[in-house]
Amino acid sequence: SAVISQKPSRDICQRGTSLTIQCQVDSQVTMMFWYRQQPGQSLTLIATANQGSEATYESGFVIDKFPISRPNLTFSTLTVSNMSPEDSSIYLCSVRTEGETQYFGPGTRLLVL
Amino acid sequence: QKEVEQNSGPLSVPEGAIASLNCTYSDRGSQSFFWYRQYSGKSPELIMSIYSNGDKEDGRFTAQLNKASQYVSLLIRDSQPSDSATYLCAVIYNFNKFYFGSGTKLNVKP
Repeated sequence: SAVISQKPSRDICQRGTSLTIQCQVDSQVTMMFWYRQQPGQSLTLIATANQGSEATYESGFVIDKFPISRPNLTFSTLTVSNMSPEDSSIYLCSVRTEGETQYFGPGTRLLVL
Repeated sequence: QKEVEQNSGPLSVPEGAIASLNCTYSDRGSQSFFWYRQYSGKSPELIMSIYSNGDKEDGRFTAQLNKASQYVSLLIRDSQPSDSATYLCAVIYNFNKFYFGSGTKLNVKP
């Protein structure tokens, strides 16, 4: 398994500002992912964070809005840029282990006013 | 379009009963299937994975996979109020991305 931590755990932000979410894993992992979960909804994949290269974004998500860094095999950041109330959501970091199993961090609860 | 379908529920069962949760998927090429449990306000936690046709048991949980019919199910025996949560079905396509269903909310009544 993998132990994943995220910072911050929650935040309240003003529209137009940006927030960077950090994800730290207790072991080296090749595949890291960022998901969004809006209230009452399932998980939506934002992007795959690739170590040493640009992230791969899913349809509907763009780098200008959600820039991602992956400087090493244990750490990644997701920035939510120029926020609007529609960005209010839970943002989850996730990692895939060698056995294909995927684990989730505790999430960052974001409220944009 | 890759799809994972679940009944959103809520599914209500009395304590001690068997809860049956179902999931269908659209891509016959899928190889790996997972069930996650998510308590309100918490992140998903893995319950079981299944890769081959048939049943896989782990304690009170049994996952069932039928690739010909493209469905995977989760049975929870002797349901407890602590099992009340949303259960997410997940499927890996092309050895890369997880696709999640919308989840089924389970209520176990004391």
